[in-house]
Amino acid sequence: RKEVEQDPGPFNVPEGATVAFNCTYSNSASQSFFWYRQDCRKEPKLLMSVYSSGNEDGRFTAQLNRASQYISLLIRDSKLSDSATYLCVVNKAAGNKLTFGGGTRVLVKP
Amino acid sequence: NAGVTQTPKFRVLKTGQSMTLLCAQDMNHEYMYWYRQDPGMGLRLIHYSVGEGTTAKGEVPDGYNVSRLKKQNFLLGLESAAPSQTSVYFCASSNPGQGARDTQYFGPGTRLTVL
Repeated sequence: RKEVEQDPGPFNVPEGATVAFNCTYSNSASQSFFWYRQDCRKEPKLLMSVYSSGNEDGRFTAQLNRASQYISLLIRDSKLSDSATYLCVVNKAAGNKLTFGGGTRVLVKP
Repeated sequence: NAGVTQTPKFRVLKTGQSMTLLCAQDMNHEYMYWYRQDPGMGLRLIHYSVGEGTTAKGEVPDGYNVSRLKKQNFLLGLESAAPSQTSVYFCASSNPGQGARDTQYFGPGTRLTVL
């Protein structure tokens, strides 16, 4: 079993719609959680950290469920520019080594 | 402020050849990392460094060596390239000490093909 698992998608989303997807992690000792965004043939960039209480950044909302060991990302009012691969990332805080999921591809269409 | 830069951007090698990938960062970060990304596999950590003169193995270190002689540079070496090392290589850097929520900043990647 992979340490961090994601549905690869693609999630085809009409412009303006809401899309949500999850990521599960296997190590209960994981301490920090992030969503990174990666555009085609580009480097990953931090989208947002995920806090235990849940957090929001504009149209993006992230949730953490430690009991069930999953993280979610919700995108409201999807824009064409939201088309990308979203990487779920977990940090066990040992040397700050991050473990990446395989990514969820989102395609927003007009 | 260029952030994290990588050279070269593209490279084609023949099996058995050697090469070195260079990563440089100008953010005075302590930690640096080398990852490889393959389709459907996500990013996997090859080696990392927690400071000048230090290196440590990551998840997939075999066939690679690294050196961190200067704080701003992290080199990844392939001594005898194999087709299985065809991949996109990303370098990253971070500055922990800000809790466990350190952000890793990535370079633009090096696309390596081994024939």
